[in-house]
This record gives sequence, structure tokens and C-alpha cells, in this order.
Amino acid sequence: DTAVSQTPKYLVTQMGNDKSIKCEQNLGHDTMYWYKQDSKKFLKIMFSYNNKELIINETVPNRFSPKSPDKAHLNLHINSLELGDSAVYFCASSQGGPSGNTIYFGEGSWLTVV
Amino acid sequence: AQSVTQLGSHVSVSEGALVLLRCNYSSSVPPYLFWYVQYPNQGLQLLLKYTSAATLVKGINGFEAEFKKSETSFHLTKPSAHMSDAAEYFCAVSKGTDKLIFGTGTRLQVFP
Repeated sequence: DTAVSQTPKYLVTQMGNDKSIKCEQNLGHDTMYWYKQDSKKFLKIMFSYNNKELIINETVPNRFSPKSPDKAHLNLHINSLELGDSAVYFCASSQGGPSGNTIYFGEGSWLTVV
Repeated sequence: AQSVTQLGSHVSVSEGALVLLRCNYSSSVPPYLFWYVQYPNQGLQLLLKYTSAATLVKGINGFEAEFKKSETSFHLTKPSAHMSDAAEYFCAVSKGTDKLIFGTGTRLQVFP
């Protein structure tokens, strides 16, 4: 069983479209994250949620809207996609936040905007 | 503010040689430190972590890292490289924060 699963794995779409990436974790964790990895492999946190409540919004454009229907799910919706949004998006989870706790990552979603 | 610096964006070794990937941290308090590995087209997997217990931390796949406060370092080592170790390696830090902050990564190449 995959611990943190995200779909789709690959997504190619045109500028201006709206798309969503879904994420689910079956680890029973209370904290979930979205990270963005750019073309230079740099990883940066976008959002974190604890028990469905937003904890971190790391100055991400309003076009990005996370939604957590329950603590096992954290979906990412992106409006009006831009070329610069092309990246790999990783969903992750941990129990009790990142301070000393292991964060488990999904396999990533490769988004290409053309 | 906390941060990590990984020296060397690319490291190449021969199979069977010592692997040494460098990580230095900057933190106002003793940090929690992590090494993650990312294989091509995959997510990140935890190799090992330091959480203020033993300073020499053993991880998976034969890797280990030593926390040296005097040098503010947490270098990753493996005595003998294997072809399957070729991947991107990330050092990360967190302490009293809601963020896990990553270094810029080091790509390890292993030659036969």
C-alpha cells in the first residue's frame, strides 16, 4: 500500500487552464504538506495543514488553493496556469509537524504548462 | 533563520569508493537534521535523521552521518558506493518551526 499517493503523476496542460492534483495519505498523520520542486531540483514548501487547518502559506500566488476535506486528504487546485508553474509538486505528511518528525513524501506530480 | 548549505552540486565516485556528501547548517538552536534521497522520477525517501540523541546516525542502505556541533556539519558518508546509490541527495533542517528547509541537493554519480 502506498503511504502517500498523489494523482495524476504526469499532467500536460495549456496556459490559462485550471487543474487539480489530489493527495491522500493512509498513515494516520495529522499534518500534510505541498512542496514544489523547480527545474533546478530546489524544494520549497508551499502549504502545510494540520487537522484540516492551514498552518503555512508560503507566499504562494492566490491562483493556488489547497483544500483539505479531512486530515487524510490535501488537494491542490491551480487556476489560470502559467508557464512558470511547470514543476514537480510533492504531497507529504507527518505526525505532529516537521520539527524532528519524519516527513513522508508522495511520488510527485510532474506538471508541464505549454 | 535556519538554513542548510550543501557543498558540491555534483559528486562523482567509482563503484566501491567512499561516498562523502557535505552539509553545513545554520541554526540559532541545536537543530533537527535530515538526509533524504531522490531517485530519478521518484519522490523523496528518508535516509536518516538526527534529533539530538547519538551524534553518529546510521541510516538505510549503509549510509551514516555524524553531527558535529563545532563544525556545524552533518556530512553523509557511505564506505563503499554501489551503482544503485546514484541519485539526488538532500540535506534538510527543522527546529521549533513548521517548516522543513531543504538544501539545494547534491547529485551523486557512480561509475563502474
